[in-house]
Amino acid sequence: SAVISQKPSRDICQRGTSLTIQCQVDSQVTMMFWYRQQPGQSLTLIATANQGSEATYESGFVIDKFPISRPNLTFSTLTVSNLSPEDSSIYLCSVEDRATGELFFGEGSRLTVL
Amino acid sequence: QQPVQSPQAVILREGEDAVINCSSSKALYSVHWYRQKHGEAPIFLMILLKGGEQKGHDKISASFNEKKQQSSLYLTASQLSYSGTYFCGTETGGTSYGKLTFGQGTILTVHP
Repeated sequence: SAVISQKPSRDICQRGTSLTIQCQVDSQVTMMFWYRQQPGQSLTLIATANQGSEATYESGFVIDKFPISRPNLTFSTLTVSNLSPEDSSIYLCSVEDRATGELFFGEGSRLTVL
Repeated sequence: QQPVQSPQAVILREGEDAVINCSSSKALYSVHWYRQKHGEAPIFLMILLKGGEQKGHDKISASFNEKKQQSSLYLTASQLSYSGTYFCGTETGGTSYGKLTFGQGTILTVHP
């Protein structure tokens, strides 16, 4: 199993600013996934972050709004830029156990935009 | 496209059984089931691969009918700890390997 640490666990930000979320995994993984969970909603995949290459974004998500870094096999950051109240969500980092297919999630970063 | 879960909500008394269904319009490689309690991260329950596999542990089991692109989660003799929101996540394979599309969730409440 993988242990995933996310920072910050929660934050309150002003409109127009940016927030960077960090995700640290206790083992090396090829792919890391970033999900968004809007209040009372399901999880939606934002992008897949591979080490050494550009992140792959899902439909409806763009790099200018959600830039991602993946400097090594245990760490990734997601930045949510030019914040608006609609960005208020929980952002979750996840990794997959390739042997079992299980997806492990971090505890999430709860963002509130005022 | 998001898989469809039914029902949207279930209320049970301890010891009762429940079935949660997940249906997709796409051919699936696998179906995952997760439970999320309020304020917590989703927790993995099980994964089913195409081939009509049925899995289970303790009193929670699931089936996957790849022809119908449907999966069902079975909770028997429910316990208070089963309360939470259940999500199915579907994987279509190929270049989507490892990427899950989640259903809208089923809220399960178990009362004493």
